[in-house]
Amino acid sequence: DVKVTQSSRYLVKRTGEKVFLECVQDMDHENMFWYRQDPGLGLRLIYFSYDVKMKEKGDIPEGYSVSREKKERFSLILESASTNQTSMYLCASSKGTGGQPQHFGDGTRLSIL
Amino acid sequence: SQELEQSPQSLIVQEGKNLTINCTSSKTLYGLYWYKQKYGEGLIFLMMLQKGGEEKSHEKITAKLDEKKQQSSLHITASQPSHAGIYLCGGYSGGGADGLTFGKGTHLIIQP
Repeated sequence: DVKVTQSSRYLVKRTGEKVFLECVQDMDHENMFWYRQDPGLGLRLIYFSYDVKMKEKGDIPEGYSVSREKKERFSLILESASTNQTSMYLCASSKGTGGQPQHFGDGTRLSIL
Repeated sequence: SQELEQSPQSLIVQEGKNLTINCTSSKTLYGLYWYKQKYGEGLIFLMMLQKGGEEKSHEKITAKLDEKKQQSSLHITASQPSHAGIYLCGGYSGGGADGLTFGKGTHLIIQP
């Protein structure tokens, strides 16, 4: 089975802090994704990566950056956390191209105070 | 841009009853994916549909994709408490890196 592991289930940080969310997958998938999920808005794509050191902006990249130094690891960075970034963050991975299903981690519920 | 509309937004069903959730895309899909999410957790992949008219089943859950590949339904037979959660459809209409667009989800509650 595909395993996508997010480093924290719950995280509380303060406004202005630099926040790192880590995600690791064990199935050698080429593609990795970061979403945020908010009530009434559904899942929204922040960034994705289709190869090591490659990244593409999703629908809502403002205030975020990402890093993919190794194939199995995809990090989401909040450069200067703000209260409107309080959300559920979900990492996913998928194999190759052609619309393969994405497999998700358990999510990180991030609160910015 | 592609949009996916799910209906209903929420559903309360008595245990043992059948139910259907619908997902409609504004564009023709190359792939349609159904996921289940328990409250506060990640998404669990259920099924993928790629061909017009395709139908797949897993235990008591059946999903269908219409011939035009713009509409899908998820049907649960003889619902159980374990079916409760949020069901989301995701759609792929081409483009790079398999980016999916998701519906906003259907909250399913099973009443004993």
